[in-house]
Amino acid sequence: DADVTQTPRNRITKTGKRIMLECSQTKGHDRMYWYRQDPGLGLRLIYYSFDVKDINKGEISDGYSVSRQAQAKFSLSLESAIPNQTALYFCATQGQPQETQYFGPGTRLLVL
Amino acid sequence: AQKVTQAQTEISVVEKEDVTLDCVYETRDTTYYLFWYKQPPSGELVFLIRRNSFDEQNEISGRYSWNFQKSTSSFNFTITASQVVDSAVYFCALSEANNTDKLIFGTGTRLQVFP
Repeated sequence: DADVTQTPRNRITKTGKRIMLECSQTKGHDRMYWYRQDPGLGLRLIYYSFDVKDINKGEISDGYSVSRQAQAKFSLSLESAIPNQTALYFCATQGQPQETQYFGPGTRLLVL
Repeated sequence: AQKVTQAQTEISVVEKEDVTLDCVYETRDTTYYLFWYKQPPSGELVFLIRRNSFDEQNEISGRYSWNFQKSTSSFNFTITASQVVDSAVYFCALSEANNTDKLIFGTGTRLQVFP
């Protein structure tokens, strides 16, 4: 089984809808991250969390919110989806500071 | 300001050719980490290597090798005897010890290996 899983893997939604992307990990890591990838661009950080009570904004947090329900779960919500949020979304985990981040398989989101 | 530049947007080679993917970074920190990730057509991100700023030794792993040069702020990746399965987008990334470990990614280099 994969260490970092994301659900759904693909999602099509309409403008204005609320949508949640979920991330679960079995690595026992405290640190979790949400990134988005747009064509021709690298990944950009949306939110990150260093433990259940610690949530921080990344460089592109507008229009997004997150919830850290447990050490193993970190969800990303789009409160009112818009077409320019169409992207590939990745969750990542990290065990200790400066260690490698390991990524989930990604969620492809299309907002019509 | 921190930045990662991958100037090569796309590279095409024929199988068995050697290919080098360039990565140039900018940082003011003295302690930082550099990474390479592979993104095959299936879309997932596969970790390849992590290197800290105090270790300038080159690394070889099978057909892959990495050349880290602090003097030129570069961390280049070479694939020897490329294979079709190497076709992917490759990302270089930087993490600064004083910047909460956020990964700063380059825009990626798409490598196409033709048979």
